[in-house]
Amino acid sequence: KAGVTQTPRYLIKTRGQQVTLSCSPISGHRSVSWYQQTPGQGLQFLFEYFSETQRNKGNFPGRFSGRQFSNSRSEMNVSTLELGDSALYLCASSLVARTGGMYEQYFGPGTRLTVT
Amino acid sequence: GQNIDQPTEMTATEGAIVQINCTYQTSGFNGLFWYQQHAGEAPTFLSYNVLDGLEEKGRFSSFLSRSKGYSYLLLKELQMKDSASYLCAVREGRDDKIIFGKGTRLHILP
Repeated sequence: KAGVTQTPRYLIKTRGQQVTLSCSPISGHRSVSWYQQTPGQGLQFLFEYFSETQRNKGNFPGRFSGRQFSNSRSEMNVSTLELGDSALYLCASSLVARTGGMYEQYFGPGTRLTVT
Repeated sequence: GQNIDQPTEMTATEGAIVQINCTYQTSGFNGLFWYQQHAGEAPTFLSYNVLDGLEEKGRFSSFLSRSKGYSYLLLKELQMKDSASYLCAVREGRDDKIIFGKGTRLHILP
C-alpha cells in the first residue's frame, strides 16, 4: 500500500507570494491533517479535514487555509507569505477521525518551504 | 488551555533502558500518542493509549495515567538507531484536536 505523498518536497518563495501544497493520503484514509514544524515551536496543528469538511483548526491566521477533495486528497494554501512561514509542512492521514477508534496517523515526508 | 511537557534532551547507553516522561494538561482527554522522528524524516507512530495502564510492543512500552495527566515511553535494549526525537501528543476535546509536545531528543552512546 502506497504511503502518504506530498508535493512538492521543497519550495522557495519570496515574501508576499502565495503557495499551495498538496497531500495524497493512503488509499482508503478519509482524514487528513496538516502540521507546521519548526525548530522553535515543534509540531503545530493547522487543520484536519474529514470527508471534504474541515473538522477542526489550530491557532493560525486566516492566511492559512485548506481543502479536501472527494478523493480525500488535500491541499493547503498560504497567502501573503511571511519569513516566519518557513517551515516543514507535514500532512498525515488516518482511517477515521472520531473518538472511540485507534487513530494511528501516517505522516508524509513533508514539504520544506523556505520564504526569502 | 493545553500544555504538554517533556524533557528537551536525554542521553542513554546502548543496551540500557530509558524512560521518557510526558505530562499534560488538557480539556477533554481522548487519547495519547507517542511518535518517533529521526532527523530530517517524518514522524512515525509508536503507540496509542486511551485507558490507564501499560501497553507493550516489542522493545517499546507506553504507560498512561489519566488521573495524573502523565505518560511515559519506555525503550529497552537500546540500539544506536533509537537515537531520535520522541514526540508525545494528546488528542483532546469534542473535536479531537491533536496537540504535540515539543519532543525529547534522545542520544544513544555506544
